[in-house]
Amino acid sequence: DAKTTQPPSMDCAEGRAANLPCNHSTISGNEYVYWYRQIHSQGPQYIIHGLKNNETNEMASLIITEDRKSSTLILPHATLRDTAVYYCIVRVATTNFGNEKLTFGTGTRLTIIP
Amino acid sequence: DAGITQSPRHKVTETGTPVTLRCHQTENHRYMYWYRQDPGHGLRLIHYSYGVKDTDKGEVSDGYSVSRSKTEDFLLTLESATSSQTSVYFCAISVGPYEQYFGPGTRLTVT
Repeated sequence: DAKTTQPPSMDCAEGRAANLPCNHSTISGNEYVYWYRQIHSQGPQYIIHGLKNNETNEMASLIITEDRKSSTLILPHATLRDTAVYYCIVRVATTNFGNEKLTFGTGTRLTIIP
Repeated sequence: DAGITQSPRHKVTETGTPVTLRCHQTENHRYMYWYRQDPGHGLRLIHYSYGVKDTDKGEVSDGYSVSRSKTEDFLLTLESATSSQTSVYFCAISVGPYEQYFGPGTRLTVT
């Protein structure tokens, strides 16, 4: 699996867009980019994933560069409840349904400032 | 809500004692996972299961064993607990081709 690099911490003002970068310069063509977050001491929570197209869901948007070597998770209107550690993960989607052994790094600690 | 519980939620035990952590799911998902989380290391996979009695090792499996005799239960056993196994343990299930759903965690302290 490709290795990812994320800044250790970031701040964002409440109500503004939070943009979390991730570098995955060694990504392979069949590897997806996943984002999870972990609020305080809870279990990680899935946010979004993508292969090469930009993706959006009710939680966030994922922008993947054309060369796929980096991506940005966007929380469009950050709230205090978005304070968490955000993990960028690159992983091959296997043909075995659900067989996703995720490798978590240390992530980015995002703090939303009131 | 995928319906996943872990028990116990907190445990303090002494070095050398056996410990079993339980993960229970209510929705009949095939894949289940055990992770541990330590400061500075993120989450690391211990073992996973792809069906009843079908398990495999993750990246940090030494000192741990697992069993899955029923679809809904995935047990993690520390045969002889050591202080290095003090950690927060998370169980997870695959709820789709791309998403894992995590339990609330078990905080284990080995003294």
